[in-house]
Amino acid sequence: QKEVEQDPGPLSVPEGAIVSLNCTYSNSAFQYFMWYRQYSRKGPELLMYTYSSGNKEDGRFTAQVDKSSKYISLFIRDSQPSDSATYLCAMKIGGGSNYKLTFGKGTLLTVNP
Amino acid sequence: ETGVTQTPRHLVMGMTNKKSLKCEQHLGHNAMYWYKQSAKKPLELMFVYNFKEQTENNSVPSRFSPECPNSSHLFLHLHTLQPEDSALYLCASSPHRDRPGEQFFGPGTRLTVL
Repeated sequence: QKEVEQDPGPLSVPEGAIVSLNCTYSNSAFQYFMWYRQYSRKGPELLMYTYSSGNKEDGRFTAQVDKSSKYISLFIRDSQPSDSATYLCAMKIGGGSNYKLTFGKGTLLTVNP
Repeated sequence: ETGVTQTPRHLVMGMTNKKSLKCEQHLGHNAMYWYKQSAKKPLELMFVYNFKEQTENNSVPSRFSPECPNSSHLFLHLHTLQPEDSALYLCASSPHRDRPGEQFFGPGTRLTVL
């Protein structure tokens, strides 16, 4: 079983829809969870960074972590065509200088006007 | 120029060529990273530098040779590559190696090995 599983999609939704992007993981030692957005021909950019279980909201984006189920989600409300990108989840074990960062494969999202 | 820049943006090379990728960050960060991004695969960390010192080499073949002359510049020297090395090579920087969650990525170099 891979450490981090992410459905690569593609996912296509109409403008205004609520988008749900998900990752599952197998290693319960993961402590920090991140979501990155990567536009075509660009590098990833950090969207959300969470530590504990529960929800974290930032504008139209909500990151949700369920450590008991080893499942994280990113919700996008009122999706816009400008949200069309690949979304990568990432997880970190450990802190200080001794850590491991693992990425998912990314989900390609298209929001149609 | 702001953020993290990478040159060239695209590179096509033969298996016997020698080329170099360049990364420059204008953020005052002390840690720099090289990643490989292949289609349908997770992002793979290759090398990490912290205050110009290499702190991580994730079992990368010796045909990839990094160089970090100062905290603002990072190079990846390439020689005798294989077609399977074709990928997007991303550079990133963060304030410190201890803070990977604050990485800023460059736009990448799309490498094709013929």
